[in-house]
Amino acid sequence: DAKTTQPNSMESNEEEPVHLPCNHSTISGTDYIHWYRQLPSQGPEYVIHGLTSNVNNRMASLAIAEDRKSSTLILHRATLRDAAVYYCILRDLSQYNNNDMRFGAGTRLTVKP
Amino acid sequence: DADVTQTPRNRITKTGKRIMLECSQTKGHDRMYWYRQDPGLGLRLIYYSFDVKDINKGEISDGYSVSRQAQAKFSLSLESAIPNQTALYFCATSKQGGTGELFFGEGSRLTVL
Repeated sequence: DAKTTQPNSMESNEEEPVHLPCNHSTISGTDYIHWYRQLPSQGPEYVIHGLTSNVNNRMASLAIAEDRKSSTLILHRATLRDAAVYYCILRDLSQYNNNDMRFGAGTRLTVKP
Repeated sequence: DADVTQTPRNRITKTGKRIMLECSQTKGHDRMYWYRQDPGLGLRLIYYSFDVKDINKGEISDGYSVSRQAQAKFSLSLESAIPNQTALYFCATSKQGGTGELFFGEGSRLTVL
């Protein structure tokens, strides 16, 4: 899987939007962009994924650059419960027998009341 | 009840002892994984299995072995534990095909003295 680069940490105020960036300059045409988050003392949980178009779900939005070399996870109104480590991962689904999803260190999001 | 259950949740052992971490799932997924998490290093893949007869090494398999006893069960063994295997271990599952979304257990904290 291609490598991603994320800031080590970010801070946000409660009820304000948060934009978490991810760079993936070596992304291939068949790489999906996945985001997971890990709340304190829990296993990671799926947040959202996309290929080319922007995506929205109940948890967040994913904005993908036109050249796909970067993406941004958007939390529209951060709450204290959103404090977590957020992971951006690329997943090449054309490699059907390679199911190796590798997590980097992610971005630790702190939400201030 | 959790869909992906890990036992034990916490274990302290001594160098040289054999340790087994167990994972069971009720999601009906074919694919199961073991990850290791160290502070500041994100998650690293140890082993993964696509079905009962399939076992694959991840990026850090040395010192570990696995057994896929059934579709729902995937165990991780440390034949002779050493202190640098002290870490948080996560089991995960995913279904064949689709987008490869991973579902994680709550983790097993292992301390090797």
